[in-house]
Amino acid sequence: KNEVEQSPQNLTAQEGEFITINCSYSVGISALHWLQQHPGGGIVSLFMLSSGKKKHGRLIATINIQEKHSSLHITASHPRDSAVYICAVPLSSGGGADGLTFGKGTHLIIQP
Amino acid sequence: KAGVTQTPRYLIKTRGQQVTLSCSPISGHRSVSWYQQTPGQGLQFLFEYFSETQRNKGNFPGRFSGRQFSNSRSEMNVSTLELGDSALYLCASRTGMNTEAFFGQGTRLTVV
Repeated sequence: KNEVEQSPQNLTAQEGEFITINCSYSVGISALHWLQQHPGGGIVSLFMLSSGKKKHGRLIATINIQEKHSSLHITASHPRDSAVYICAVPLSSGGGADGLTFGKGTHLIIQP
Repeated sequence: KAGVTQTPRYLIKTRGQQVTLSCSPISGHRSVSWYQQTPGQGLQFLFEYFSETQRNKGNFPGRFSGRQFSNSRSEMNVSTLELGDSALYLCASRTGMNTEAFFGQGTRLTVV
C-alpha cells in the first residue's frame, strides 16, 4: 500500500511570497494528484501528473518519478490561495485498484 | 457540463440508524469512488466502482457498503451508525483508471 507524506503541515506566508509544498510517496505510481480544499469541504483537482512539470496560472506542479517526490509551487501568492492542499496517489502500483490514498494536507494561510 | 452531485449535503442521524448517500457522477464517467474525511484520520478510501462492479474496498467494517447503477450513479450505505461515523463523505468520478478525479461537495453526516 502506498504511503504519502506531505510537508509542511501548516504554512503561513505573506501575500506575494513564493510557496512550496512537498509530497513523497513510497510505491511507484502512474500518476499523482494535487487537490485543493476550501473550508466547507469541496475538493478541486488542480493537477494530475505522471512526469515532468505542469503549469496552470500561478500554480506549478513538478514530479520526480525516480525519487518518488512531487512539489506544488504557488507564485505571487494571494489571500484567495488560502486553503488545504492535498497530494494523492493510487492506492497501489498494481493494476485494477483505482482508489486514491492521500497525504494529510498542507493548511496554507496567505496574509495580506 | 454538470459536476459531481452528492445528496444530501447535510444529514443528522441517531446512533443505530442507517443512512444512504447518493452520488451522481459527471456524464460519461464510469468510475465512482467514495472517501471518508475526518479531522483525525484525514481522507480515507472506502470503495471504488466501475461499470457497476466494486473493484476495490478500503479497510472499513462491513457496515459500510455501496453499489453502482447502470447509469453510473452510486450509493453508499452505512448501517448501525456509530458516533465515529460522523464525517464528511466525498465521492469522486473519473472516466477510468489514471484519469483526473472530480469530487463532489460531499455529504456531512453527523451521528448523535
